Amino acid sequence: GPKVLQIPSHQIIDMGQMVTLNCDPVSNHLYFYWYKQILGQQMEFLVNFYNGKVMEKSKLFKDQFSVERPDGSYFTLKIQPTALEDSAVYFCASSFTGGNSDYTFGSGTRLLVI
Amino acid sequence: GEKVEQHESTLSVREGDSAVINCTYTDTASSYFPWYKQEAGKSLHFVIDIRSNVDRKQSQRLIVLLDKKAKRFSLHITATQPEDSAIYFCAAEGMGYKLTFGTGTSLLVDP
Repeated sequence: GPKVLQIPSHQIIDMGQMVTLNCDPVSNHLYFYWYKQILGQQMEFLVNFYNGKVMEKSKLFKDQFSVERPDGSYFTLKIQPTALEDSAVYFCASSFTGGNSDYTFGSGTRLLVI
Repeated sequence: GEKVEQHESTLSVREGDSAVINCTYTDTASSYFPWYKQEAGKSLHFVIDIRSNVDRKQSQRLIVLLDKKAKRFSLHITATQPEDSAIYFCAAEGMGYKLTFGTGTSLLVDP
């Protein structure tokens, strides 16, 4: 089926540096999401995005985080500056609407902040 | 906000037996409940879902039950196979199609 692609799959970065995680959502999807999963724990919602705007962000979405999707290209999550506690797997997802099985997750970006 | 509790953190069954994973939620406004499977180091894959207008749904060996009054839903995997071994997450969908996940159940099917 259609896939959500995430680039890169792994990233190691020095604390304090900036990192951008890229997501190529399913082509006709309208809603985009980022989730965070710390090793062995549950997936937690960070932010959702529709029509060029953030709809809702959780308390995990710190001021150092930002998202955008310029001109229909990648949907990006930028962290600037990074902190040690940002180490996690970040999953992008997209959906056409909601309440159905087309909600598709990418394979994740493993971020390690050292 | 919504909270989803997943009651079994680990579950071990013999091949051919049934496995049941239970979740509860808090927000009465939630109306869509998907289940996802995650294998080690991989992404989440959709397994089955249920909407609040029904109380039971079956897809081959998978059955989902929903009790709206108790705010409880469960995944039943019948005739389990070793390839069913994975972590299963329940979720509830809220405003803006945001998913709130349970903490996951690690299912091991012994051949």
